[in-house]
Amino acid sequence: KQEVTQIPAALSVPEGENLVLNCSFTDSAIYNLQWFRQDPGKGLTSLLLIQSSQREQTSGRLNASLDKSSGRSTLYIAASQPGDSATYLCAVISLSYSNYQLIWGAGTKLIIKP
Amino acid sequence: IAGITQAPTSQILAAGRRMTLRCTQDMRHNAMYWYRQDLGLGLRLIHYSNTAGTTGKGEVPDGYSVSRANTDDFPLTLASAVPSQTSVYFCASSEGHLRNSPLHFGNGTRLTVT
Repeated sequence: KQEVTQIPAALSVPEGENLVLNCSFTDSAIYNLQWFRQDPGKGLTSLLLIQSSQREQTSGRLNASLDKSSGRSTLYIAASQPGDSATYLCAVISLSYSNYQLIWGAGTKLIIKP
Repeated sequence: IAGITQAPTSQILAAGRRMTLRCTQDMRHNAMYWYRQDLGLGLRLIHYSNTAGTTGKGEVPDGYSVSRANTDDFPLTLASAVPSQTSVYFCASSEGHLRNSPLHFGNGTRLTVT
């Protein structure tokens, strides 16, 4: 059974620092991995989608990498800003009992201190 | 602004009452989903619809029903609410299959069953 883990559960860093959020999964047979951010009281916003054949995706100050063999993905945020404060979730698409399932991590709550 | 609209934003409901959560998208996405988000349990899929006229059960479908009469609308009905259905409910959509398409989320409905 696929399991997705995000460590740490919370992270607080000063503004301007570069940081890395981690996502690990137990079964390397995934179709893609997605990173989302969730602001308090809001829905989730898709940040990056990495296909299983890709190694990384970039969008602005965000860079997501994928290493299927080790079951890991990282989300790198460059030059962090207070507006980056949110909860970041990762999710993988796996095939389970002939159904495609989106398996979610519990998220990392990020606080950027001004 | 294109996106997903959920209504109501929040609701307090007496146990045993019937309630329909509304979800409308204007992106002409084929697939739609209902998730519930609970502290410590993360996001769990309730029901989904790959295309208008079809629906399927997710991870936690009991006590909920859905319909997909057209592309834009995907209402979620609680036939007889129970306190364990207290949660934040998110409607989501994707243009195509989750293998290739990112998820788009509404802002959620916070439901309290007393």
